[in-house]
Amino acid sequence: AQSVAQPEDQVNVAEGNPLTVKCTYSVSGNPYLFWYVQYPNRGLQFLLKYITGDNLVKGSYGFEAEFNKSQTSFHLKKPSALVSDSALYFCAVSYRNRDDKIIFGKGTRLHILP
Amino acid sequence: KAGVTQTPRYLIKTRGQQVTLSCSPISGHRSVSWYQQTPGQGLQFLFEYFSETQRNKGNFPGRFSGRQFSNSRSEMNVSTLELGDSALYLCASSLGSPGFDTQYFGPGTRLTVL
Repeated sequence: AQSVAQPEDQVNVAEGNPLTVKCTYSVSGNPYLFWYVQYPNRGLQFLLKYITGDNLVKGSYGFEAEFNKSQTSFHLKKPSALVSDSALYFCAVSYRNRDDKIIFGKGTRLHILP
Repeated sequence: KAGVTQTPRYLIKTRGQQVTLSCSPISGHRSVSWYQQTPGQGLQFLFEYFSETQRNKGNFPGRFSGRQFSNSRSEMNVSTLELGDSALYLCASSLGSPGFDTQYFGPGTRLTVL
């Protein structure tokens, strides 16, 4: 069965430092991978997705993610963190032609310390 | 373009009652998905409707049901409420499959069951 894991419940990073939020997915076919962000008292917002092509995907707000097939990972990164990046981040996976159902990870809370 | 709207934003019900939540998707979007968000379980998929047909369903009991109207608006119903149904219910719309297309989320309905 398809699944996605976010191994860290919380990540703390000092403002100005690079940040990484980890995501791994179960191996089974060719995945479509997504990152969404949720700010307090809001719904989720799309950040970026990998469908095919370049393994490095650039998204909103300076975020990027790298699809690594050998490590079955899709970690979210940003070179320099801002306090306003503090939020809940969700990774999600789906598989084309397998009912297209999308599965979300449990989320990682990112705290950027001023 | 107006975003996804959900009504009501907050609801308080007692055990045994039933509740109906409403979602209006972005104009032109034919797919509407519903999710339950709780601190312990993260984001769990309830069901997805596309052109008035339920296309996918998550692992929730039959007390949870939904429907989609010809104008793509969707409703979700929970009967015989239990304390564990207290959660944030999120609706998301997309042009096509949520496993491929970007989903746009509403602000959610916060349901509290007493």
